[in-house]
Amino acid sequence: AQTVTQSQPEMSVQEAETVTLSCTYDTSESDYYLFWYKQPPSRQMILVIRQEAYKQQNATENRFSVNFQKAAKSFSLKISDSQLGDAAMYFCAYRGNYGQNFVFGPGTRLSVLP
Amino acid sequence: KAGVTQTPRYLIKTRGQQVTLSCSPISGHRSVSWYQQTPGQGLQFLFEYFSETQRNKGNFPGRFSGRQFSNSRSEMNVSTLELGDSALYLCASSSSGPTDTQYFGPGTRLTVL
Repeated sequence: AQTVTQSQPEMSVQEAETVTLSCTYDTSESDYYLFWYKQPPSRQMILVIRQEAYKQQNATENRFSVNFQKAAKSFSLKISDSQLGDAAMYFCAYRGNYGQNFVFGPGTRLSVLP
Repeated sequence: KAGVTQTPRYLIKTRGQQVTLSCSPISGHRSVSWYQQTPGQGLQFLFEYFSETQRNKGNFPGRFSGRQFSNSRSEMNVSTLELGDSALYLCASSSSGPTDTQYFGPGTRLTVL
C-alpha cells in the first residue's frame, strides 16, 4: 500500500523568508500524481501545486515550487517570500494514475512570524 | 461560479443512529469525492463518484456509503454510527478526471455522542 510521510509536524518561518516542507512517499507504481494542499485555520482546503510523476520538470506556481526526486520518492514544497496568509496546515498527497490509492500525509503546520 | 457547498455544516448524533450528508459540486463538475478528517487518522479518502457511478473507493467499512444523482449532487450515508465516526467530512468536486484539480467544500462537522 502507498504511504505518505511528512516528518515535520510543525514548522515556522519569518515573514519574507523561504521555507521548505518535506514529504516522502512509498509506491511501486510508476505513474502517479503528487499534490500539496493547504488548509488554513477554519477555512477550506485548497490545492497549492501538483506534479505528474512522468514529468521531470519541477512544478511551480508563483511563490510555490516543488523539488520532485522520483528515484528518492521525495516531494518537497518550497515557499518563497513567505506571507502571513501562508500560515496553514499543509498536506502532501499521492494519487495513482487512474485516481486510485489517494493517500494523504499527516500534515505540517506552518506558522509565519511577522 | 459558486463553490462546493455541504449541508449541514454541523451535526450531532448518538451512537447507533444513521446520518446523511449532502454535497453540491461546482456547476459543471461531474466528479465528487468524499474524505474523512480526524485528529488521530488525518485525512482519509472515502470514495469518489463520477456520473452516478462509484469510481474509486478507500478502505472504509460498508457502513459508509454514498451515491450521486444525475445533477452531480452527492450524498454520503453512515449507518450505525460509532463514536469513532466523529470527524470533519469533506467533499471535493472536479471537472472530470480523478486527478483533475479538486475543489473542496467547507466540510460537515459530525459529532457522535
